[in-house]
Amino acid sequence: EPEVTQTPSHQVTQMGQEVILRCVPISNHLYFYWYRQILGQKVEFLVSFYNNEISEKSEIFDDQFSVERPDGSNFTLKIRSTKLEDSAMYFCASREPGLAGDLDTQYFGPGTRLTVL
Amino acid sequence: SQQGEEDPQALSIQEGENATMNCSYKTSINNLQWYRQNSGRGLVHLILIRSNEREKHSGRLRVTLDTSKKSSSLLITASRAADTASYFCATGGGGYQKVTFGIGTKLQVIP
Repeated sequence: EPEVTQTPSHQVTQMGQEVILRCVPISNHLYFYWYRQILGQKVEFLVSFYNNEISEKSEIFDDQFSVERPDGSNFTLKIRSTKLEDSAMYFCASREPGLAGDLDTQYFGPGTRLTVL
Repeated sequence: SQQGEEDPQALSIQEGENATMNCSYKTSINNLQWYRQNSGRGLVHLILIRSNEREKHSGRLRVTLDTSKKSSSLLITASRAADTASYFCATGGGGYQKVTFGIGTKLQVIP
């Protein structure tokens, strides 16, 4: 069964450094998303991406964040200058195109645990 | 916002028993979804129920939806130790829409 993959599984970085988190969505999916989960807290939406542009972003997704689909398969989240509070699990998700109903399901990757020291 | 709020926040049962988790949300929805997350791992989609459905089954899972009460329940029958995980209800997800998650129910199934 196709699945969303993410690399790396764990990233440790120093405060102020740039990180790029990578995702490979399911191949026929056209909607892409990033979420994050700070330890012990809810999963929070960051950004949605469709047709090579951001569709919606949350207040968390400030100028330090950017997303890109550099080729036909990868979807990346870049944090330009990491802060301690960026430490979290970051999840990528994708959804196939189509009408509502079961096609509303977003499929999540296993996550990248980002630790900012 | 369409936030799901689950209760109980923690549930501990013996293997073989049934586990019931509830979720309430605030606004009208097109569908509601349940996800599972094993400790420190990714989110696994379990089941989606549409707003015009009242009940849906998938294996040992049974989900109900009461749109008049803005609530849903997830029943896991004949629980197994491997069902130990956090369970989240979520709303949204259609089109560009974000999925909004509740805080989750932490289920522990004791062998």
